[in-house]
Amino acid sequence: EIVLTQSPATLSLSPGERATLSCRASQSVSSYLAWYQQKPGQAPRLLIYDASNRATGIPARFSGSGSGTDFTLTISSLEPEDFAVYYCQQRSSWPPVTFGPGTKVDIK
Amino acid sequence: EVQLVASGGGLVQPGGSLRLSCAASGFTFSSYSMNWVRQAPGRGLEWVSYISSSRSPMYYADSVKGRFTISRDNAKNSLYLQMNSLRAEDTAVYYCARGLRYSGYDWGYYMDVWGKGTTVTVSS
Repeated sequence: EIVLTQSPATLSLSPGERATLSCRASQSVSSYLAWYQQKPGQAPRLLIYDASNRATGIPARFSGSGSGTDFTLTISSLEPEDFAVYYCQQRSSWPPVTFGPGTKVDIK
Repeated sequence: EVQLVASGGGLVQPGGSLRLSCAASGFTFSSYSMNWVRQAPGRGLEWVSYISSSRSPMYYADSVKGRFTISRDNAKNSLYLQMNSLRAEDTAVYYCARGLRYSGYDWGYYMDVWGKGTTVTVSS
């Protein structure tokens, strides 16, 4: 099973700052990686698929990059509604898909 | 408005059964694959099962294979998850989630619309 690790576990930033979240795979997943955002008490929301494609309706401040084993989600300038938990997900081994443990972005 | 509403969760004893439902609206349900994903209390996300738009193929996580059965009724715009032989470790919020369609193809391993989730608690 492909294992995803995310770092840091928690990222404390202020609104307007740039957020850089990392996801690393235990083996290459090519570009088959997605990012989701989850706010407390809510369902996840798809942000990015295939490493760098923004999902419908996702603001341009969210961008994804990477391939192989190392991936990055960047939020160029944090808005108040962006403070949440972010999960990466790989589909290279489909089925199944696996998720990373998440990175919490909280307000500094 | 595109919407998924999961229901059917509750408290069940170990070894018991439960059937979850997911009602879809606002899109052509029969054209999309669907998934169930769960989240144990305070934990991350775990994919559970997938069903294609035409009901085959279906896939399951190893942790539920042989105990859970996914199904759908396209005439009723509904998705189901029959859960048998439930264990304490099945306790979670269960989300139904729509598979992504891109350029007319099923990319159901990515999930672009999620329901609010229904809570399953397995405890004596």
